This record gives sequence, structure tokens and C-alpha cells, in this order.
Amino acid sequence: DTEVTQTPKHLVMGMTNKKSLKCEQHMGHRAMYWYKQKAKKPPELMFVYSYEKLSINESVPSRFSPECPNSSLLNLHLHALQPEDSALYLCASGGTPDAYEQYFGPGTRLTVT
Amino acid sequence: GQNIDQPTEMTATEGAIVQINCTYQTSGFNGLFWYQQHAGEAPTFLSYNVLDGLEEKGRFSSFLSRSKGYSYLLLKELQMKDSASYLCAVRDLASGAGSYQLTFGKGTKLSVIP
Repeated sequence: DTEVTQTPKHLVMGMTNKKSLKCEQHMGHRAMYWYKQKAKKPPELMFVYSYEKLSINESVPSRFSPECPNSSLLNLHLHALQPEDSALYLCASGGTPDAYEQYFGPGTRLTVT
Repeated sequence: GQNIDQPTEMTATEGAIVQINCTYQTSGFNGLFWYQQHAGEAPTFLSYNVLDGLEEKGRFSSFLSRSKGYSYLLLKELQMKDSASYLCAVRDLASGAGSYQLTFGKGTKLSVIP
């Protein structure tokens, strides 16, 4: 099973809402990633979790809060977002932090109104 | 930081061969990746090069020259379904983090025409 799943597929939220994006993998991978991708742009790294510990936070605003409850799950908590945060949010996992292959989930299409 | 450059768009004919180039500047280089991304979908892994030379995988091949900061993706026997964006990505060791990070180029949109 080389699948990374993400829920929800689509999310529309107001600027005062609190919501969470979820990502799950059952490949025993120990590195998990959040990326943000705007239309016609490449994915941009937001966070890296290595063995369930946050190892990279690419200067992401605090209105995005990641959480790794266990080795299979990765959440992204959203609060007080801005319309410019509307994007495709991609989760990925890799066997180890230095494994060369990252498997991407299908993404959550987020619209902030 | 990284500076990754690849052409914005390319067009090629079904059945032909196309080469997509990527140049990069980075410190702590630890591999170059090619991903394919269809519109509205997640990127899918195509290839990985960390040593100089050519890696072949079916209709797809990828080449790396570390001294020149250069890679290319070669697609043979093009099919209509190969129309997609092709993303070059460079991995390096994030300073102070003890982890690798992947930085993507802007992507090359390939259109395959009959």
C-alpha cells in the first residue's frame, strides 16, 4: 500500500473559522511533510516531521499549526486564515527523513472566504 | 537557498522524444528529483539522481551533472497522457535542522499534440 490519504478533499472556510486538515499513511514512513501549492506554482514546503518531531518550519505564519499525533497521522490546524491562504495543501511521506522518494497525497483544496 | 530554473512550457508531438532541462544552484546538494503533476492532482515521483549519469526507467530517463548543476528528463515515445507539468526538485540539508528539504522548480508544462 503506497497510499497517502488526505481529508477533506475540498474545504471552504471563513476567516474566523477553525478547521483541520488530516493526512494518514500506513507505509511505516517516519517523515511527513506539508506543502502549499498555489495555482500554476510549484509546491512550497511548510513543515517537516521527522520521527514525529517537528524538524523544519519554513517561517509559516502561526495561523497554521501542525500536529503529529502518531507516526501514521499528520494534522494541519487552521485558524484565522486569510483569503490569500487559499491553495492546494499537499501532504507527503517518506520512509525516513533521508529516503529519496516522497509519496504525495491527493491534497485538500482550501478556499478561504 | 536554491535557485532552480526550467522552461515554462514545451510542446511536442505524439510518438516523439522530448528533453526537459533543469539547472540549479544549491549548497549541500543531496539529490535531484523529477515529478509529474497532472492538473488538479498531486505530484507523482518519476526519478531520482544523486550521482552523475543517466538513470533509465522505461520511457523516462533522467540525467545529472553535479559539476554543471544540470539535469534533464527525457521522455520517449510520447503519449497524449504525458501532457502534464514536470517538476524538477532539489534536495539539500536544511541548515540547522538535521533534515533534508525538497525545493521545487516552477515546473515545465508539457503539451503533447497529435
